[in-house]
Amino acid sequence: GENVEQHPSTLSVQEGDSAVIKCTYSDSASNYFPWYKQELGKGPQLIIDIRSNVGEKKDQRIAVTLNKTAKHFSLHITETQPEDSAVYFCAASTREYGNKLVFGAGTILRVKS
Amino acid sequence: NAGVTQTPKFQVLKTGQSMTLQCAQDMNHNSMYWYRQDPGMGLRLIYYSASEGTTDKGEVPNGYNVSRLNKREFSLRLESAAPSQTSVYFCASRLQESLYYNEQFFGPGTRLTVL
Repeated sequence: GENVEQHPSTLSVQEGDSAVIKCTYSDSASNYFPWYKQELGKGPQLIIDIRSNVGEKKDQRIAVTLNKTAKHFSLHITETQPEDSAVYFCAASTREYGNKLVFGAGTILRVKS
Repeated sequence: NAGVTQTPKFQVLKTGQSMTLQCAQDMNHNSMYWYRQDPGMGLRLIYYSASEGTTDKGEVPNGYNVSRLNKREFSLRLESAAPSQTSVYFCASRLQESLYYNEQFFGPGTRLTVL
């Protein structure tokens, strides 16, 4: 079945710097890759997603890139702010369980001011 | 418009006790999901309901049962709780199953401890 690996598990950056989180997936048939942000005590919230027919997508300070050949995708956050501190999860669609999402283990991002 | 709501927020059980986690959504979504979140393991799918009247097992269904009570509500039941079921449980919903994904919305979670 699909397997999603996420790195790093923790990331500390200085306010204003960029942060990059990387994920790899195993199922070449996966066609949808969302990123979720989870703040303390809350449920995950979608922040950006990308489909397999697109190589890059941007939304203000966040962007996602996808390399289908290498089967990896990355989240880029520029000009980080303290409110970006959270746990970030990547996910990939899977042919199992009716095309459900498989999640990475998560990255704890700390933005130091 | 409350989105996805879950009750209770916290629960402590003794081994062997049973309980039901409740989930409701007010977005008229067809599909609903139950996940568990454990440290270092991300979110794992327990059960899902693609539409009212249907339920299916996910990645880790053992020890759980579900009921899709109506279009709004999807409950998760632990018949005989075990310490391995200590986790944070999230309910989620999305408009429908389709080849083209639509956003999955999550509830705030239930933190369950089994002693």
